[in-house]
Amino acid sequence: DVKVTQSSRYLVKRTGEKVFLECVQDMDHENMFWYRQDPGLGLRLIYFSYDVKMKEKGDIPEGYSVSREKKERFSLILESASTNQTSMYLCASSPGQGIGYGYTFGSGTRLTVV
Amino acid sequence: KNEVEQSPQNLTAQEGEFITINCSYSVGISALHWLQQHPGGGIVSLFMLSSGKKKHGRLIATINIQEKHSSLHITASHPRDSAVYICAVRSSGNQFYFGTGTSLTVIP
Repeated sequence: DVKVTQSSRYLVKRTGEKVFLECVQDMDHENMFWYRQDPGLGLRLIYFSYDVKMKEKGDIPEGYSVSREKKERFSLILESASTNQTSMYLCASSPGQGIGYGYTFGSGTRLTVV
Repeated sequence: KNEVEQSPQNLTAQEGEFITINCSYSVGISALHWLQQHPGGGIVSLFMLSSGKKKHGRLIATINIQEKHSSLHITASHPRDSAVYICAVRSSGNQFYFGTGTSLTVIP
């Protein structure tokens, strides 16, 4: 069964902390994505990766960085957490760059920055 | 302006009702997805469409490429269908755009 696993369901961090959100997929997918979801704004793409050690900025990359050292793992890093980064974070993966490929989401991490 | 617009934003239905959620988009697309998000956050991909119609159980998704419009229908709705339904498109330029979702509540 296709699976995308996010390491934490709920996280509470303090302003200024460095935060790591981990995502692992077991489907050998090339593409991995990080989104945040906020009420009234829907899903917004933060960063994505089409291959190991490759990353591309999405719509809202400011305040975030990512790491993809291995194909199955895509990490989202908040260098210095701020309260406006309180959100639901969703990881997704998909097989290949071709048109029409579907993708699979993780169950999400609800991050609160206090 | 959002590239993907959904309507309605909120929908309450009685169990057994036929439900329709609409999605309009403004970009050229390679595929359109309907996603279901349950309370707690997990998202499931329901359909991926590039033309025509797909059916899975009580769920039906249609797309009209010329009109840039898609609908998700739920027949014989049930309380377990209560969720947020999100329309998402993958543009011809390989960008992803998401609607803000339709929150459905089905009352027993």
